[in-house]
Amino acid sequence: DVKVTQSSRYLVKRTGEKVFLECVQDMDHENMFWYRQDPGLGLRLIYFSYDVKMKEKGDIPEGYSVSREKKERFSLILESASTNQTSMYLCASRLTGYNSPLHFGNGTRLTVT
Amino acid sequence: AQRVTQPEKLLSVFKGAPVELKCNYSYSGSPELFWYVQYSRQRLQLLLRHISRESIKGFTADLNKGETSFHLKKPFAQEEDSAMYYCALSALGTDKLIFGTGTRLQVFP
Repeated sequence: DVKVTQSSRYLVKRTGEKVFLECVQDMDHENMFWYRQDPGLGLRLIYFSYDVKMKEKGDIPEGYSVSREKKERFSLILESASTNQTSMYLCASRLTGYNSPLHFGNGTRLTVT
Repeated sequence: AQRVTQPEKLLSVFKGAPVELKCNYSYSGSPELFWYVQYSRQRLQLLLRHISRESIKGFTADLNKGETSFHLKKPFAQEEDSAMYYCALSALGTDKLIFGTGTRLQVFP
């Protein structure tokens, strides 16, 4: 069974701090994704990566960056955290190929004060 | 651009009643369509994909290309079906999934 692990379940950070959210998958998936989940807004794609060191912006990349130095690990970076980045962050991975499903981590609930 | 619309934020039914969660999409090509479910305090997980034409936990979903819809149906709702349901689309040739805003299903005893 695919396992996607997010390093923190809850995080509380101060405005202006640099924040790292880490995600690891154990099934050799080429594609990894970061979404944020907000009530009434659903899941919105922040960034995704289709290979090591390769990335593409999603729908809401402003204020975020990502890093993928190894195939199994995909990090989301908030360069200078702001209160409007308080949210649930979901990491997911997926094999390349038609109809391949996304596998999600448990999520990291980030609060920026 | 691709878009997924779930018009209902909340759907409340009694146990044993039929359920239909609506999903409409906009995409000119052949989409890959999925339903995901999130139970309380659990991770988001795949429920159905259109290509499989399967029934999972009594749920089915049929792709209607004419109406660009992929509604999720169950003839008799159970209390354990209470959860958040998301419809998602992937365009042919891409690996990213676009999600709708979700519908919360509440099934009362």
